[in-house]
Amino acid sequence: RKEVEQDPGPFNVPEGATVAFNCTYSNSASQSFFWYRQDCRKEPKLLMSVYSSGNEDGRFTAQLNRASQYISLLIRDSKLSDSATYLCVVNDRYNFNKFYFGSGTKLNVKP
Amino acid sequence: GAVVSQHPSWVICKSGTSVKIECRSLDFQATTMFWYRQFPKQSLMLMATSNEGSKATYEQGVEKDKFLINHASLTLSTLTVTSAHPEDSSFYICSARAPSQAFNYGYTFGSGTRLTVV
Repeated sequence: RKEVEQDPGPFNVPEGATVAFNCTYSNSASQSFFWYRQDCRKEPKLLMSVYSSGNEDGRFTAQLNRASQYISLLIRDSKLSDSATYLCVVNDRYNFNKFYFGSGTKLNVKP
Repeated sequence: GAVVSQHPSWVICKSGTSVKIECRSLDFQATTMFWYRQFPKQSLMLMATSNEGSKATYEQGVEKDKFLINHASLTLSTLTVTSAHPEDSSFYICSARAPSQAFNYGYTFGSGTRLTVV
């Protein structure tokens, strides 16, 4: 079983739509959670950390559900520039240097 | 702050040759850097943890004699793919975290190196 699982998509949405991605993780001891964005053939860039209480950054909202071991990312008012692959990243509580990446969820925002 | 530079961005080499990839922390000192590999449409897989002044720690299944890592200074780690073969063609990315960054900030990635072995 993979450490982190994501729906690969693609999610095709019109501009202005609200879209949500989920990600499940297998290690209940995981301590830190992140969403990264990766554009085609580029390096991943941190979008936001995910806090236990949930957090929001502009149009982006991240939630963590420890009981069910999943994290979510909600994007409101989608822009064309949001088109990318979104990577769910989880680290291990006992080896905080070790990160597990999901294979990513591809989002296409269309005019 | 926390800029990681990786060079080269892309390289094409002949099968059997060796390729060196550099990862530099430009505005901070990194005692630890990480090397990842990403095949098309797959997730990033951690290959090894590069430790300044000591041996790298390799993940299971990664050949340490094939992927040589040197972290001789606090700002530079190198990954050498020795005797490269077409199956080594991939996107190699390094990452590091500045000591000043909070742990929940995640890690900063280099721009990646796309290796094609022909």
